[in-house]
Amino acid sequence: DAGVIQSPRHEVTEMGQEVTLRCKPISGHNSLFWYRQTMMRGLELLIYFNNNVPIDDSGMPEDRFSAKMPNASFSTLKIQPSEPRDSAVYFCASSSGPSTEAFFGQGTRLTVV
Amino acid sequence: KQEVTQIPAALSVPEGENLVLNCSFTDSAIYNLQWFRQDPGKGLTSLLLIQSSQREQTSGRLNASLDKSSGRSTLYIAASQPGDSATYLCAGRVNDYKLSFGAGTTVTVRA
Repeated sequence: DAGVIQSPRHEVTEMGQEVTLRCKPISGHNSLFWYRQTMMRGLELLIYFNNNVPIDDSGMPEDRFSAKMPNASFSTLKIQPSEPRDSAVYFCASSSGPSTEAFFGQGTRLTVV
Repeated sequence: KQEVTQIPAALSVPEGENLVLNCSFTDSAIYNLQWFRQDPGKGLTSLLLIQSSQREQTSGRLNASLDKSSGRSTLYIAASQPGDSATYLCAGRVNDYKLSFGAGTTVTVRA
């Protein structure tokens, strides 16, 4: 398996624009996570899906952030409108179930100017 | 709330020396603990997962221990190599899905 695949790897956008980050989890994994990594706050869980259903979105910072998982092999994280403080590395991770080993993608480095 | 601490923040050792990386957590009721490696500009690579019922887990030169009563986990890397240079993160699973991460220890192995 190719692991968790994220796209794009880098995104530079202007403030106010919509940004969509994409993730393909490992085949057969039914748990999917979106994390954000910054120097100030480290790694934070944004949202957790189990069997394509959002279970915990308490980490989503604002209504500007939304995430979907239309099927078992694809998820998106959208920021609309984007702001400079959203600049961070966004990671997608998947696991075969609760309490199992989590595998991370390579991340998307987002820069909002 | 689970707080995970990793001390020191950075470590530099000569090649061949054994590495000892520390991780402490405040809530002993963790489901399990996972160690990761992160290279600059890269994602997180899973190294070891220790279940709450286990005391240690081994993979090659890596050995991780878990002591829930003291709230500590230690990652040992034997006979370090320059290729081991990276940031090492520990994460405690606070419920059946959520990982709380430490800030990491950045390791430099000098040739």
